Amino acid sequence: DADVTQTPRNRITKTGKRIMLECSQTKGHDRMYWYRQDPGLGLRLIYYSFDVKDINKGEISDGYSVSRQAQAKFSLSLESAIPNQTALYFCATSDRGAENEQFFGPGTRLTVL
Amino acid sequence: SQQGEEDPQALSIQEGENATMNCSYKTSINNLQWYRQNSGRGLVHLILIRSNEREKHSGRLRVTLDTSKKSSSLLITASRAADTASYFCATPPGSSYKLIFGSGTRLLVRP
Repeated sequence: DADVTQTPRNRITKTGKRIMLECSQTKGHDRMYWYRQDPGLGLRLIYYSFDVKDINKGEISDGYSVSRQAQAKFSLSLESAIPNQTALYFCATSDRGAENEQFFGPGTRLTVL
Repeated sequence: SQQGEEDPQALSIQEGENATMNCSYKTSINNLQWYRQNSGRGLVHLILIRSNEREKHSGRLRVTLDTSKKSSSLLITASRAADTASYFCATPPGSSYKLIFGSGTRLLVRP
């Protein structure tokens, strides 16, 4: 079984809808991250969490919110989706005390019409 | 703004040739990491080089780091078609535990 899983893997939605992307991990890592990737570009950090009670904004947090329900679960919400949020979204984890090598989920492809 | 920028943006080589990708970054770092992404999939960590290291090897991968020039290179020797992917450098700015990714180099290895 994959160590970092994301659901759904693909989602098509309409402008204005609320969307939640979920991430679960079995690696026992404290740190979790949400990134978005646009075609031909690198990853940009949306939010990150270093433990259950710690949530931090990344480079591009506007229009997004997150919830760290447990050490193993980190959800990303789009409160009112807009077309320019169409992208590939990745969850990642890293271990406390390590040099921040990150482990990525398979990604969620989100299309906002 | 991007911390790391890869060069070239795209590279096409014949199987068996070597592939070299470069990364430049802006701020001081504790380490620099390279990741591979197969089309549309999650990134996979390849190798990490610390700021006090100049060169590191892992199998067919060789990474160099020049902190005075704020640059790194990734060399893949004896390339294979399976090496076709995008390659990203990533750095934690300062002592941060975040990672800032570059825009990547798309490598195509022709059989």
